[in-house]
Amino acid sequence: AQRVTQPEKLLSVFKGAPVELKCNYSYSGSPELFWYVQYSRQRLQLLLRHISRESIKGFTADLNKGETSFHLKKPFAQEEDSAMYYCALSGSAGANNLFFGTGTRLTVIP
Amino acid sequence: DGGITQSPKYLFRKEGQNVTLSCEQNLNHDAMYWYRQDPGQGLRLIYYSQIVNDFQKGDIAEGYSVSREKKESFPLTVTSAQKNPTAFYLCASSTGPLAYEQYFGPGTRLTVT
Repeated sequence: AQRVTQPEKLLSVFKGAPVELKCNYSYSGSPELFWYVQYSRQRLQLLLRHISRESIKGFTADLNKGETSFHLKKPFAQEEDSAMYYCALSGSAGANNLFFGTGTRLTVIP
Repeated sequence: DGGITQSPKYLFRKEGQNVTLSCEQNLNHDAMYWYRQDPGQGLRLIYYSQIVNDFQKGDIAEGYSVSREKKESFPLTVTSAQKNPTAFYLCASSTGPLAYEQYFGPGTRLTVT
């Protein structure tokens, strides 16, 4: 069965400090991993996906199949990064259902 | 204005009453989804539909029902059989199979007393 674990419910960092939001997953096949973000008073939206290997708003995430992790990282946190972050997994080929983690609320302290 | 809309934003019902939450999209997306969001539990999938006139149960379908008579609309009915219906409900859509980006609506907060 699929499972996504985000061990930190809350994470606070100072502006300019590095930030890492942890995500671990459990899936027997070859998963697709995503990070979704919800800023205050905005809708939940896609931040990035591992297959794109892209950097969005300075964030990157590398899929580590050995450690079954997909941690989200940014070298220098900004105040506008404060939001709720959800890690999500999509499993079987041809199925586009997402399994979400419980989320991490990131607060960047000025 | 393109997008996915949910109405109403807040909904109050008495225990024992069925209630229907609206979800409409004008993105021409084939797939639509309903999630429930509870504090500390993230998003859990209730039902999804990949094409018109077809839908599948998600992880927590008990006490809910849906219909997909039109591509644009995917209403969710919370029945009296749902033991703990008070929650925040999110609707989403995507272009279809293998389209992993889901577009979310603003949500409806349902309170049942």
